Amino acid sequence: AQSVTQPDIHITVSEGASLELRCNYSYGATPYLFWYVQSPGQGLQLLLKYFSGDTLVQGIKGFEAEFKRSQSSFNLRKPSVHWSDAAEYFCAVGEVLTGGGNKLTFGTGTQLKVEL
Amino acid sequence: DAGVIQSPRHEVTEMGQEVTLRCKPISGHNSLFWYRQTMMRGLELLIYFNNNVPIDDSGMPEDRFSAKMPNASFSTLKIQPSEPRDSAVYFCASSFVPVNYGYTFGSGTRLTVV
Repeated sequence: AQSVTQPDIHITVSEGASLELRCNYSYGATPYLFWYVQSPGQGLQLLLKYFSGDTLVQGIKGFEAEFKRSQSSFNLRKPSVHWSDAAEYFCAVGEVLTGGGNKLTFGTGTQLKVEL
Repeated sequence: DAGVIQSPRHEVTEMGQEVTLRCKPISGHNSLFWYRQTMMRGLELLIYFNNNVPIDDSGMPEDRFSAKMPNASFSTLKIQPSEPRDSAVYFCASSFVPVNYGYTFGSGTRLTVV
């Protein structure tokens, strides 16, 4: 069964500093990988996704992520964090189902705090 | 596009009462998912539909939970009878398969059972 691990529950960075959020996945085939962000009281918003091709994917809000098959990782990065980036971030792996449709399995999330 | 619309945004009910949560997916999306989010368990997939047909309801915690999708533009999640441990944020998400594997989430319904 597929699974996602986000080893960092909480991360605190200073505004303007770089950010890297870790994500490791377990999946037997070529994975479909996603990063979502959730602001307080809101639903999850898609930041970026990887299906195939270039292993470095660009997303919204200046975020990027790199797929590394050898490490089973899909870490999220941002070169300079803004105070508005404070939120919870979820990594997810997608699975195409024989019964139709697709299913995302989410990690437990990383809470990002930004210090001014 | 208005996105995925969920109602109500907040619901407070007494234990034993029936609760119905509603979801309108994005027009043209053919998959719909119900998730529950709690501090203890994180995001849990309860059930998902493909072309209005329930594909997998193995995440539904108990028989007290039921979900329907009578047409492509509407789905409900019902809890009867409700219990305090059902208190959580319930999210609906929709997706178009197979072109786009990302979900679009609604803003959620915060359910409190007292």
